[in-house]
Amino acid sequence: GNSVTQMEGPVTLSEEAFLTINCTYTATGYPSLFWYVQYPGEGLQLLLKATKADDKGSNKGFEATYRKETTSFHLEKGSVQVSDSAVYFCALSDNNAGNMLTFGGGTRLMVKP
Amino acid sequence: NAGVTQTPKFQVLKTGQSMTLQCAQDMNHEYMSWYRQDPGMGLRLIHYSVGAGITDQGEVPNGYNVSRSTTEDFPLRLLSAAPSQTSVYFCASSYSRRTGGRRANYGYTFGSGTRLTVV
Repeated sequence: GNSVTQMEGPVTLSEEAFLTINCTYTATGYPSLFWYVQYPGEGLQLLLKATKADDKGSNKGFEATYRKETTSFHLEKGSVQVSDSAVYFCALSDNNAGNMLTFGGGTRLMVKP
Repeated sequence: NAGVTQTPKFQVLKTGQSMTLQCAQDMNHEYMSWYRQDPGMGLRLIHYSVGAGITDQGEVPNGYNVSRSTTEDFPLRLLSAAPSQTSVYFCASSYSRRTGGRRANYGYTFGSGTRLTVV
């Protein structure tokens, strides 16, 4: 079956530090890959996505590249802000009937001033 | 355009009680699903629907029922609440498109969640 593994947190960084959150996946066929962000007390918001190999998703300074050869979709940001503190989820959809998402366990990011 | 609307936002139940979590979307998405979120476990799929009148089980369906009589609504029913069902529940809707012979998922939109406590 499908699975997503992402690094456990919490990840604690100082403002303006470089961020990497690792995500690897196992899936059949050609999955679409997503990063979602959950701010405290809120629901999930789509941060970025990639639908095929070598695609780069980007939004709000965050980037992730779909690497089929390493089955990875690592999230990066060059300079984090306190407002980026949240829980980040990597997810995949195998694009079969049902459109279901398989999520990683989530990584909590805390950015200190 | 409200997106995905979930009600209630908070609920406390006694063990053995039943209730229905409501979910409605106004984007004409064909797919809808329910997830539960537990600490350290990400989100796990409970039930999903590929269109009106069609539902199927996800990873953790036991203790829950769903129905999809319209495209817009996808309620989740707890038949006899148990403390193990204490969780945050999210409803989501999405659609798919075929591009260049490949089918891909788009437009995943989540509701704001229902925090359920079973005592």
